[in-house]
Amino acid sequence: GENVEQHPSTLSVQEGDSAVIKCTYSDSASNYFPWYKQELGKGPQLIIDIRSNVGEKKDQRIAVTLNKTAKHFSLHITETQPEDSAVYFCAASRDNTNAGKSTFGDGTTLTVKP
Amino acid sequence: KAGVTQTPRYLIKTRGQQVTLSCSPISGHRSVSWYQQTPGQGLQFLFEYFSETQRNKGNFPGRFSGRQFSNSRSEMNVSTLELGDSALYLCATRQGASYEQYFGPGTRLTVT
Repeated sequence: GENVEQHPSTLSVQEGDSAVIKCTYSDSASNYFPWYKQELGKGPQLIIDIRSNVGEKKDQRIAVTLNKTAKHFSLHITETQPEDSAVYFCAASRDNTNAGKSTFGDGTTLTVKP
Repeated sequence: KAGVTQTPRYLIKTRGQQVTLSCSPISGHRSVSWYQQTPGQGLQFLFEYFSETQRNKGNFPGRFSGRQFSNSRSEMNVSTLELGDSALYLCATRQGASYEQYFGPGTRLTVT
């Protein structure tokens, strides 16, 4: 089955700096790669996603890049703010029929210091 | 639009008991997936229901089961609880053919 590895497990940055989280996946048939943010006491919230026919997607301060050949994708957060502090998860799934059966990375705890 | 609702939010059970958790999806969402989140294993997929049928299943023992009703609400049941079943159980819903999943706040189950 699919295996998703996520690095680093913890990341601490100064407010205003950039943060990068990387994930690799094993199943070459995977083609949907979402990123989730989980705050304390809440469920994961979808923040951005990318499909395999796109190399990069940006939404304000957040961007995701995908390299299908190398089977890795990354989350980039620019101009970090204290409210960005949370646990971030990457995930992968094959197609829209199986998007409800996602494989998740182990999560990255991001701390943004004021 | 109301979000995904999970009840109860917290639950304490004893080993050997059984438990039923409930998930009410966003209006119009017909797919409901269940995940188990633990510090050691992360987020692991349990099963997905669509139109009252199980569409996908993860690698959990038969003690874990689920069902979906005609109004798309879903329940999951865990029988003969073990200490290792202590976890945050999350449900995620989506429209049938879409990719995006929307998670509920979870049910925190503690087995003593």
